[in-house]
Amino acid sequence: EVQLVENGGGLIQPGGSLRLSCAVSGFSVTSTYMSWVRQAPGKGLEWVSVIYSGGSTYHADSVKGRLTISRDTSKNTVYLQMNSLRVEDTAVYYCARTHDYKYYMDVWGNGTTVTVAS
Amino acid sequence: QSVLTQPPSVSGAPGQRVTISCTGSSSNIGAGFDVHWYQHFPGTTPKLLIYGNTNRPSGVPDRFSGSKSGTSASLAITGLQAEDEADYYCQSYDRSLSGWVFGGGTKLTVL
Repeated sequence: EVQLVENGGGLIQPGGSLRLSCAVSGFSVTSTYMSWVRQAPGKGLEWVSVIYSGGSTYHADSVKGRLTISRDTSKNTVYLQMNSLRVEDTAVYYCARTHDYKYYMDVWGNGTTVTVAS
Repeated sequence: QSVLTQPPSVSGAPGQRVTISCTGSSSNIGAGFDVHWYQHFPGTTPKLLIYGNTNRPSGVPDRFSGSKSGTSASLAITGLQAEDEADYYCQSYDRSLSGWVFGGGTKLTVL
């Protein structure tokens, strides 16, 4: 069964760090693109980061230099390292399997909530 | 301000037809990148509704259809049902931003 399970969210102070994980089952993380998408309270969906099947990574301008996507192929898991967190990073973070040339997201995890507050 | 523009809300009575527009630019939809649509019930996982402008994943009713023309796309829902009440998002790729872009979302209310 194809499944994505996110973990690692929580309450963190501004300036702090957190690492989200997305455990993948039913396919290999090296066979497709994997993305992180977030939804802030009362806001819409926002793409955050992507890691290509070959390992290249790209990030939205709003998180560049602070949030970093990576993967561990031995664990079939994708990560989002979140540093220098800001209040505006508060959101539900979803990982999503992303089609590698049509760019749609066909499988989503249930999401993990990150709250940045003092 | 989202790169793709959607109306904040639309509404319709049961059985009616509604459309949701998604307007982009020459660096995303107009550049030939496909438009995809998602249905999202608050507190749940977003669901792929339409991919590649017009295609429905297995299990999505044919009441849902998509189209694309120029720098815009539309999602049409016919035979509106109460369970269609949700948020709908369009999504594409933007070559200027080198990244994925979403519309701001449209809340569908079934009257």
